[in-house]
Amino acid sequence: KNEVEQSPQNLTAQEGEFITINCSYSVGISALHWLQQHPGGGIVSLFMLSSGKKKHGRLIATINIQEKHSSLHITASHPRDSAVYICAVRYNYGGSQGNLIFGKGTKLSVKP
Amino acid sequence: DVKVTQSSRYLVKRTGEKVFLECVQDMDHENMFWYRQDPGLGLRLIYFSYDVKMKEKGDIPEGYSVSREKKERFSLILESASTNQTSMYLCASSSGLPFTDTQYFGPGTRLTVL
Repeated sequence: KNEVEQSPQNLTAQEGEFITINCSYSVGISALHWLQQHPGGGIVSLFMLSSGKKKHGRLIATINIQEKHSSLHITASHPRDSAVYICAVRYNYGGSQGNLIFGKGTKLSVKP
Repeated sequence: DVKVTQSSRYLVKRTGEKVFLECVQDMDHENMFWYRQDPGLGLRLIYFSYDVKMKEKGDIPEGYSVSREKKERFSLILESASTNQTSMYLCASSSGLPFTDTQYFGPGTRLTVL
């Protein structure tokens, strides 16, 4: 079964800390997404990547295709970064395009 | 900015009622999606549509149907609501081929079925 595993499930940090959230998947993918969900439910897409590294402000996403692993890093964390971070992948199914499969999310709380 | 709106933020219905959840996007996106989100399970795809009047089942279509009569609007229908359909429902839209591009999400509808 194709699954997406995130770790940790919950993370508490002090303001200013460097944060890493991990995502592992089981078979070949064509793309990986990182999403942010704030309390109240709204979801924002942060990154979509298929190789290498992307950076937006204090957020950095990396992917290692060989290791089937991606990380989301937050530098100089701030309480407003408190949210659930969700990893989602699109698997390759014999060349056809599959649905997005979502991880269960990592709940981040940044304390002032 | 892409805007995806959903008709209600909170909805309470009774078992057996027919429920309509509406989603509207303003960016002329070809694709629209309905997900449900439950604690400990992550988002799961119910249905998606890649064009007007076109629809595809997702991972958990049972108990649901959808309608896309206009490009900007995608409706999720619970024909006879049941308590196990109590959940957060999220709509999304995207351009290009389904699942190839960034999806833009609505604010969600928290549905409670009593």
